[in-house]
Amino acid sequence: AQKITQTQPGMFVQEKEAVTLDCTYDTSDPSYGLFWYKQPSSGEMIFLIYQGSYDQQNATEGRYSLNFQKARKSANLVISASQLGDSAMYFCAMTGDMRFGAGTRLTVKP
Amino acid sequence: SAVISQKPSRDICQRGTSLTIQCQVDSQVTMMFWYRQQPGQSLTLIATANQGSEATYESGFVIDKFPISRPNLTFSTLTVSNMSPEDSSIYLCSVVEGAQYFGPGTRLLVL
Repeated sequence: AQKITQTQPGMFVQEKEAVTLDCTYDTSDPSYGLFWYKQPSSGEMIFLIYQGSYDQQNATEGRYSLNFQKARKSANLVISASQLGDSAMYFCAMTGDMRFGAGTRLTVKP
Repeated sequence: SAVISQKPSRDICQRGTSLTIQCQVDSQVTMMFWYRQQPGQSLTLIATANQGSEATYESGFVIDKFPISRPNLTFSTLTVSNMSPEDSSIYLCSVVEGAQYFGPGTRLLVL
């Protein structure tokens, strides 16, 4: 069975600084994908970024980038130049079982 | 990206009653997914709904409690039956169209 692990229940970052949110996974599937989502207090799930297991380069989407280390089975989300609006819950998820990690609550301090 | 709507957006229900949540997608999709997010928790997959076949339920979820309909490729319903306060959650439907996209959720409070 697949497993997604987010070990940081909460993270704080100063506005305009970069922050890394950790995600490790375990799967026996040779082909898989990893997603990151943002969930603000409104409750909606906002898709941020996707990384395929065979992608040659790390995914980037604006201020979001994914530090994908396949051998370590990690897919950490990097948010650069944090903004107050980035304060939210962040979830890592994997294709296949469609399961989600426990989430990390990010708080951006002014 | 798929645009997904859900009805109702929120409801307050009495224990023992049932609520049906509707999910509408703006494109035809093979699989639709229903998740539950209990307060302060992550998302838990309830079931996968394919058009024309019975939904596939995850461990801990049963059809009698969470019956699902999937009459066509753009619509699905999830019913929360015989509700108890423990069913108070956000219920989200989701589709995969490249990435996985979610509806806005239905906030359910059971008194």
